[in-house]
Amino acid sequence: QVQLVQSGAEVKKPGASVKVSCKASGYTFTNYYIHWVRQAPGQGLEWMGRINPDSGGTNSAQKFQGRVTMTRDTSISTAYMEVTRLRSDDTAVYYCARASSSGWMYWGQGTLVTVSA
Amino acid sequence: EIVMTQSPATLSVSPGERVTLSCRASHSVSTNLAWFQQKPGQAPRLLINGASTRATGIPARFSGSGSGTEFTLTISSLQSEDFAVYYCQQYNNWDMYTFGQGTKLEIK
Repeated sequence: QVQLVQSGAEVKKPGASVKVSCKASGYTFTNYYIHWVRQAPGQGLEWMGRINPDSGGTNSAQKFQGRVTMTRDTSISTAYMEVTRLRSDDTAVYYCARASSSGWMYWGQGTLVTVSA
Repeated sequence: EIVMTQSPATLSVSPGERVTLSCRASHSVSTNLAWFQQKPGQAPRLLINGASTRATGIPARFSGSGSGTEFTLTISSLQSEDFAVYYCQQYNNWDMYTFGQGTKLEIK
């Protein structure tokens, strides 16, 4: 069965970086885009970007360009999303999701990133 | 950027009622629209893709319609497990996906 398993919660200080991982199993990793979405406490969903695990090509929302890097390691079927220069308003649950022609059916469990001095 | 606007923000309804949620796009997204359900502490769950196609395992009481800029999600008879937040999402612009701000269904 398809699974996306994310890394555990993180606590970071303002100005630091965080790297969240998303390990895929149950399908061919390189066949489907991985998207990253975040949700601040009590807020809605915000699309951050996507990566093509086959080519490594990425697209990201304009507000995150220059601060977010998406990568992948095909040898271990894992996608990564790094956010640099963290601010308090980056405190959120970060999700990965697998995209297909049938939609975003599979999501990771979410990773809480807390940014606090 | 395509802005997605959902209405209402909150809807108080009773179990068994029929409910319609709305989603409007600032520019046409054709039928490149999805609906998600999210419960507290859980990841979003895909309900509808392509504006009207139910995802695998989604009960028939959920239906989606619309194209262009106006979309609706209808739940024909609300069950207790349907009380949640619902988001629409456009994926017409493949390098900039956007979500609506959500509609919360609460028990009346």
